[in-house]
Amino acid sequence: GAVVSQHPSWVICKSGTSVKIECRSLDFQATTMFWYRQFPKQSLMLMATSNEGSKATYEQGVEKDKFLINHASLTLSTLTVTSAHPEDSSFYICSARGTSGRAHEQYFGPGTRLTVT
Amino acid sequence: DAKTTQPTSMDCAEGRAANLPCNHSTISGNEYVYWYRQIHSQGPQYIIHGLKNNETNEMASLIITEDRKSSTLILPHATLRDTAVYYCIVRYTGNQFYFGTGTSLTVIP
Repeated sequence: GAVVSQHPSWVICKSGTSVKIECRSLDFQATTMFWYRQFPKQSLMLMATSNEGSKATYEQGVEKDKFLINHASLTLSTLTVTSAHPEDSSFYICSARGTSGRAHEQYFGPGTRLTVT
Repeated sequence: DAKTTQPTSMDCAEGRAANLPCNHSTISGNEYVYWYRQIHSQGPQYIIHGLKNNETNEMASLIITEDRKSSTLILPHATLRDTAVYYCIVRYTGNQFYFGTGTSLTVIP
């Protein structure tokens, strides 16, 4: 099956610094990738949709200048949390949708746990 | 995409069938029903999806009512490893997945 990886799996950073999270589709090309955020005991919240080679589309209430998304290739999307604060501590999950006619299928990464101190 | 309603939590005895219900009374004709699950601190895992007909795969069965306003995910022989949060999502093909609160299933030894 299709595999999506994330790096790092966990990261601790100091308040005010920036953190980059990578999402890779390992065995398929993904024209579209999605970024989610999940706080403890809550459901996944869609943050943004990124299409390869174009600007990401952010969900209402998500600050695009704080959460920078780059989808420069068909296998890699990155999420940069800029000027991180403790309230940004969360579980960040990406997913990817393939280029074939399998629009049904969306594959999720294992998640990245961010802790801002 | 249509909204879904699921019970907050359920228990199931190990080895028994787990039946997880989902209401999606505002579903439209072209919207699919998807089920994903999330084991603690992992990314969601695809289980099954369907449009009108009942579906079965190696993981589960999906029963969709004739009016498509509700569905049931069946795990035929629940194991402890099936303890997870199960999400029922309704969406048009190609649209994003918006997750609801899901059902927290606990399989009891």
